[in-house]
Amino acid sequence: AAGVIQSPRHLIKEKRETATLKCYPIPRHDTVYWYQQGPGQDPQFLISFYEKMQSDKGSIPDRFSAQQFSDYHSELNMSSLELGDSALYFCASSSNVQPFPLHFGNGTRLTVT
Amino acid sequence: GENVEQHPSTLSVQEGDSAVIKCTYSDSASNYFPWYKQELGKGPQLIIDIRSNVGEKKDQRIAVTLNKTAKHFSLHITETQPEDSAVYFCAASNGNAGGTSYGKLTFGQGTILTVHP
Repeated sequence: AAGVIQSPRHLIKEKRETATLKCYPIPRHDTVYWYQQGPGQDPQFLISFYEKMQSDKGSIPDRFSAQQFSDYHSELNMSSLELGDSALYFCASSSNVQPFPLHFGNGTRLTVT
Repeated sequence: GENVEQHPSTLSVQEGDSAVIKCTYSDSASNYFPWYKQELGKGPQLIIDIRSNVGEKKDQRIAVTLNKTAKHFSLHITETQPEDSAVYFCAASNGNAGGTSYGKLTFGQGTILTVHP
């Protein structure tokens, strides 16, 4: 079965640079979530989109922005990168059928040097 | 906001034994409780979930119990196998908050489960 696709799998950036992470949800899933997982930590909710509109917002820094496009893929844009932004970034998707289980991608590992 | 506490942080069992992981949550409005298994280099994989109108749910060797009064839920794995070794996360959300709130999960700190052959 098709899963959530994230790209790139690994990304190395320097401080103050910009990064763009991409997420392609499972076909027919209209909802996308972004999570950040620091080393040895649990995933933290950043932001979600439903039908291309921002729905919920969590602990997402103002330096980060995201959007969902007409084909339902989503991009997370991160500017003025800091060392503390180094983490695994997961995208998850769900359909609008309760109980809306989330299906996670395998993540993008971002390293800021 | 919601706070989820998970115990133990590490759990080591022999193949064939049972494993139990426990979580407590703080927000009485939470009504959706999934459990995820995360292997190295991979994303969390949903293994079982339960909603607040159900006290117990079972899927083969995996079961989850929920005590709404105590705000406590547990994962039970029977007849453990080495391939069950992974990090397990509990999570909670309030699906009644509307929108995408079901997926706005608060995770526990994780349990590293090791199953020895």
